[in-house]
Amino acid sequence: SYELTQPPSVSVSPGQTASITCSGDELGNKFVCWYQQKAGQSPVLVIHKDTKRPSGIPERFSGSNSGNTATLTISGTQALDEADYYCQAWDSSIVVFGGGTKLTVL
Amino acid sequence: QVQLQESGPGLVKPSETLSLICTVSGDSITSHYWSWIRQPPGKGLEWIGHIYYSGSTNYNPSLKSRVTVSVDTSKNQISLKVRSVTAADTAVYFCARELYSGSSPFDYWGQGTVVTVSS
Repeated sequence: SYELTQPPSVSVSPGQTASITCSGDELGNKFVCWYQQKAGQSPVLVIHKDTKRPSGIPERFSGSNSGNTATLTISGTQALDEADYYCQAWDSSIVVFGGGTKLTVL
Repeated sequence: QVQLQESGPGLVKPSETLSLICTVSGDSITSHYWSWIRQPPGKGLEWIGHIYYSGSTNYNPSLKSRVTVSVDTSKNQISLKVRSVTAADTAVYFCARELYSGSSPFDYWGQGTVVTVSS
């Protein structure tokens, strides 16, 4: 079965750039999306089709996808960006989620 | 505004069947695919399966033998049944809308409902 691998945790200082990776076999050939989930809340879509931001998502969120790795980048990270982040892709009509990355802003 | 609301028993006994309903408002159930996703305590997201209003379904292979997703267009609802549950099925269960057909993200989620499997 297809797997997506994320680092368990990433730390960033306020105002700096955070990068969260998601790895999978030939992932660049698939569309990747990213979700932000704060404690006790439902996930929120922040990036879809590799690079597209839904309405209402701040411009500091951006995405890329090439080769075997997709990356979510948060520029000028703010304290309110502290959350769990999940990547997601489709493989043969099946949804696959990454294991999630806990972003700490300190 | 699109809203999804999960409902069902919060406690299920081992070996019994977990049954949940997702009621959709602000959108027609016939317009999109709809998925069930779960999250065990302290763990990540796991896709369970999805359905189109026509009845077309796909399931996570790891759960396929125990899961049924169905749709009731008259009530604008989808439902989930998980048979022969164990403690490993304890999770927050979410329903979610697929934004478009084909490699779609989930753009609307319900608030989730906690299901505990315990005797």
